[in-house]
Amino acid sequence: KAGVTQTPRYLIKTRGQQVTLSCSPISGHRSVSWYQQTPGQGLQFLFEYFSETQRNKGNFPGRFSGRQFSNSRSEMNVSTLELGDSALYLCASRTQGADYGYTFGSGTRLTVV
Amino acid sequence: AQSVTQPDIHITVSEGASLELRCNYSYGATPYLFWYVQSPGQGLQLLLKYFSGDTLVQGIKGFEAEFKRSQSSFNLRKPSVHWSDAAEYFCAVGAYGGSQGNLIFGKGTKLSVKP
Repeated sequence: KAGVTQTPRYLIKTRGQQVTLSCSPISGHRSVSWYQQTPGQGLQFLFEYFSETQRNKGNFPGRFSGRQFSNSRSEMNVSTLELGDSALYLCASRTQGADYGYTFGSGTRLTVV
Repeated sequence: AQSVTQPDIHITVSEGASLELRCNYSYGATPYLFWYVQSPGQGLQLLLKYFSGDTLVQGIKGFEAEFKRSQSSFNLRKPSVHWSDAAEYFCAVGAYGGSQGNLIFGKGTKLSVKP
C-alpha cells in the first residue's frame, strides 16, 4: 500500500510570506503528526491530529498551525515566515490501538530566504 | 521530563565490523521505544520498536536492540555492517497519554562506513 505522501518536496519562500504543506497518510491511518527537523534543534514535535481534531501540540509559536480533513489528509501552515523556519518538515501517520509505531513521509524541505 | 540521549554524534566503523549505537532514555512509565534510520534528504524509516515482552527486539536490515530497564537503555546492534548502512540513526521514546502521543527523539548518531 502507498506510504505517507508529502507535497511539495521542496519549497523556497521569502521572509514574511506564508506557506502550506500537505500530507496524505497511509490509507486507514487516522492519526497524523508533524515534526520539524533542523540541524540545531533536531527533530521536534509540532502537533498531532486525529479525526479532524488537534489532540496534542508541541512548543511552537502560534504562527504554526494545522488542520486535518475528513479523509485524514492534513495540512500545516506557517505564517509570517522567518529565516529560522527553514527546515525539513516531516509528516507521520499511525493507526490507533496497540501499535504506536509511526510511518514517516519523505518530508518537505522548506527554505526561507 | 521525558528525554532521549544518544551520546555518540558520529561513529565510523569498517565494513563487516560489528556496530552498537547507544541510547539512554528518561521516562516515568513503561516506555515505548523506537529506532529510526534516515538517509540524506529522506524521511525516517522504522527499524524496530519495543513495547513490552522480550527485551531483545529484532528489526529490519539485520538490526536488533536490547531494552535494559535497569540502565534506561535501548542500544541498537548489528553484527556485520554493510556500506549501505551509512546513514543517521535516531532513537525515540513514545510519550503517550491515553490515546494521544508524540515521539521524543534523540539528536541522532551519524554512521559512516569505511571500506
